Amino acid sequence: GQNIDQPTEMTATEGAIVQINCTYQTSGFNGLFWYQQHAGEAPTFLSYNVLDGLEEKGRFSSFLSRSKGYSYLLLKELQMKDSASYLCAVSDSNYQLIWGAGTKLIIKP
Amino acid sequence: SQTIHQWPATLVQPVGSPLSLECTVEGTSNPNLYWYRQAAGRGLQLLFYSVGIGQISSEVPQNLSASRPQDRQFILSSKKLLLSDSGFYLCAWTPGLASDEQFFGPGTRLTVL
Repeated sequence: GQNIDQPTEMTATEGAIVQINCTYQTSGFNGLFWYQQHAGEAPTFLSYNVLDGLEEKGRFSSFLSRSKGYSYLLLKELQMKDSASYLCAVSDSNYQLIWGAGTKLIIKP
Repeated sequence: SQTIHQWPATLVQPVGSPLSLECTVEGTSNPNLYWYRQAAGRGLQLLFYSVGIGQISSEVPQNLSASRPQDRQFILSSKKLLLSDSGFYLCAWTPGLASDEQFFGPGTRLTVL
């Protein structure tokens, strides 16, 4: 079966750095997405990785290792507004997105 | 620029009643359209997707159906709602394959009592 695993919840301090991990087992791979979802709102796109390595975009970076079926989202200089759920999703061989359950990130002052 | 609309924003319906949720996209043509459901604290479950007018693919067998009567209109329906249909329903679109970024509508929160 297809499976996306990520931690259910993480807590971090304002101004710090946090890394959210995602491991996947899918039938085929056509890229991995990270989305941010604030409570009660729709997800918004953060990043897309299809090749191994690190993609940096401001305070957010995303890493992919296809051989390990592993990705992480790195958030630097955390702000209170970063409190949200972070969803990992993999595009499979049929170009359908398989979604993880999301990681709820709690930022404390 | 492209925008995606969903309505209603919230809905409370009794068990056994019908359902119709509508999604429309502006500023693009021939988008791929998706209906997702998200239960509380869970990930997104793909319900239906459409690559063109009248073309619907169902991912999960259930008492829901979808239709695409126009290029930029996607409708989610049910003849008789179940308690388990409660959730957050999201419509999304992509310009091409699902390997493209998906743009989500604001969602409809459905509570079935």
